[in-house]
Amino acid sequence: KQEVTQIPAALSVPEGENLVLNCSFTDSAIYNLQWFRQDPGKGLTSLLLIQSSQREQTSGRLNASLDKSSGRSTLYIAASQPGDSATYLCAVKDITYGNNDMRFGAGTRLTVKP
Amino acid sequence: EAGVAQSPRYKIIEKRQSVAFWCNPISGHATLYWYQQILGQGPKLLIQFQNNGVVDDSQLPKDRFSAERLKGVDSTLKIQPAKLEDSAVYLCASSLNSGTGDTGELFFGEGSRLTVL
Repeated sequence: KQEVTQIPAALSVPEGENLVLNCSFTDSAIYNLQWFRQDPGKGLTSLLLIQSSQREQTSGRLNASLDKSSGRSTLYIAASQPGDSATYLCAVKDITYGNNDMRFGAGTRLTVKP
Repeated sequence: EAGVAQSPRYKIIEKRQSVAFWCNPISGHATLYWYQQILGQGPKLLIQFQNNGVVDDSQLPKDRFSAERLKGVDSTLKIQPAKLEDSAVYLCASSLNSGTGDTGELFFGEGSRLTVL
């Protein structure tokens, strides 16, 4: 059964700092990995999706990498801003037949201080 | 393009009462998911529909939870009777699931926050 872990659980940084959020998963037979952002009281907003055959995806100041062999993904945020404050979740979709579930980590709560 | 719509956004009920949540997925999305997110945790899948058929409901507490997607579009999630531990955000998501080449990207609604007193 796929287990997804995110470290750290919370992170506080000053504005302008570059930062890395980590996601690890136990089963490397994945279909894709998706990073989401969740603001308090809101749903999940998709940030980046990395297919199994890809190693990274970029969108603006965000860059997500995927290393299936080590069961790891990182989300890099460049030049952080107070508006980046939110909880970031990663989710993994397995390719095991019949298992269509996205397994989520518990998230990293990011605070960017002005 | 309209996103995933959910209602109500908030609901407060007494334990043992019933509640229903509604979801309208993105147009054309074949797969619909209901997730439960307890405070401080990641979402947990309750049920997955492919068109109007159930793909996975292994984590749905069937003694009190039920869900349907009668015409392969809208879906309703019902809880009856509610327990204190059902207090959570109920998230609906959809994906295109068009087969080979589909990215499998998930799109979420704003969620329905349930408080059981």
